[in-house]
Amino acid sequence: KAGVTQTPRYLIKTRGQQVTLSCSPISGHRSVSWYQQTPGQGLQFLFEYFSETQRNKGNFPGRFSGRQFSNSRSEMNVSTLELGDSALYLCASSPTWSSSYEQYFGPGTRLTVT
Amino acid sequence: GQQLNQSPQSMFIQEGEDVSMNCTSSSIFNTWLWYKQDPGEGPVLLIALYKAGELTSNGRLTAQFGITRKDSFLNISASIPSDVGIYFCAGRFGNEKLTFGTGTRLTIIP
Repeated sequence: KAGVTQTPRYLIKTRGQQVTLSCSPISGHRSVSWYQQTPGQGLQFLFEYFSETQRNKGNFPGRFSGRQFSNSRSEMNVSTLELGDSALYLCASSPTWSSSYEQYFGPGTRLTVT
Repeated sequence: GQQLNQSPQSMFIQEGEDVSMNCTSSSIFNTWLWYKQDPGEGPVLLIALYKAGELTSNGRLTAQFGITRKDSFLNISASIPSDVGIYFCAGRFGNEKLTFGTGTRLTIIP
């Protein structure tokens, strides 16, 4: 069974631009979570989607948004990029929205904002 | 909100030594997960724990779900070079978000 895939793997953007990252969960998994990882802040939770509905949200500004499609694939969007948005963005999938299941991570998208 | 304290922050050991690390939470969890991350990659799940007192092994790795539900422990026996990396604990209660520890960086001294 294929793992979580994320595209693109690397991205360079300029301040003020916007970016869309994509995540395809493990086949059969219906819950997708997004995290931002930086050296200084560690792994910070962005949001979690299940059945196309956002179920949990972290403490990030409204410039960060996401959505989930009917096939469970998810995208996250960051508008008006700032230098501080440079990070590894990780997607994780789980069979369902519950603490009874583990989350599996993709390889991440490395975003650099210049 | 929930906070996870993971210790130690870093460890420098010799090959063959055993390793112990732990996480403590300010509130209870009903799931504890342990991950390992290599540079530039996503975290890889090592062990999942779902019951207080549970002790689970995965090869040379053993993890325990603390009785108080506020802590968890990971032990690595007879470390080898490929054990180098950053280890993260993560906990979750109900349908709340998964909260991660700050990580333990493991380095093996030649």
